Amino acid sequence: DIQMTQSPSSVSASVGDRVTITCRASQGISSWLAWYQQKPGKAPKLLIQTASSLQSGVPSRFSGSGSGTDFTLTISSLQPEDFATYYCQQGNSFPFTFGPGTKVDIK
Amino acid sequence: EVQLVESGGGLVQPRGSLRLSCAASGFTFSSYWMSWVRQAPGEGLEWVANIKQDGNERYYVDSVKGRFTISRDNAKNSLYLQMNSLRAEDTAVYYCARSFVNRYFDLWGRGTLVTVSS
Repeated sequence: DIQMTQSPSSVSASVGDRVTITCRASQGISSWLAWYQQKPGKAPKLLIQTASSLQSGVPSRFSGSGSGTDFTLTISSLQPEDFATYYCQQGNSFPFTFGPGTKVDIK
Repeated sequence: EVQLVESGGGLVQPRGSLRLSCAASGFTFSSYWMSWVRQAPGEGLEWVANIKQDGNERYYVDSVKGRFTISRDNAKNSLYLQMNSLRAEDTAVYYCARSFVNRYFDLWGRGTLVTVSS
């Protein structure tokens, strides 16, 4: 199975800050990576798929990059509604696996 | 409205069984792979199972193989998860999710809580 790791596990930031989250796969997954946002008590929301393709309706302050084993999610200017937990997920092969999550909270 | 609505969760004893359902609406259900994803209390996300559009291909995470069965009824726009031999570690919110290009999950239900406890 492909193991996914994320760093940091949590980050405290202020509105307007640039936030970068890193995701690493235990083996190469090409660009088959997605990012999700989850708020407490809610279902996850797909933000980015295939490493860098923004889902329809997702603000352009979110961006993704990377390929192979190393990926990043960047929020260019953090907004109040962005405080949440972010997960990466590999779609390269079964079983699909998620990273442990990165919690973005208010500084 | 495009949505998924799960039902069937609840409290069940260890080694018991439960059947989850997911009602889809607002999109052509039969055109998509569908999935179940779970989240234990306070924990991260775990993919559980996928099923192809026609039901002829199914995949499972190792921890549920032989105990859980994913199925679908395209005429009823419904997805199911039959869970047998339940264990405490199966306690989680179970989400029904639409599979995007059979690699990601682009539409999620609100989830249904399954608690396995005596």
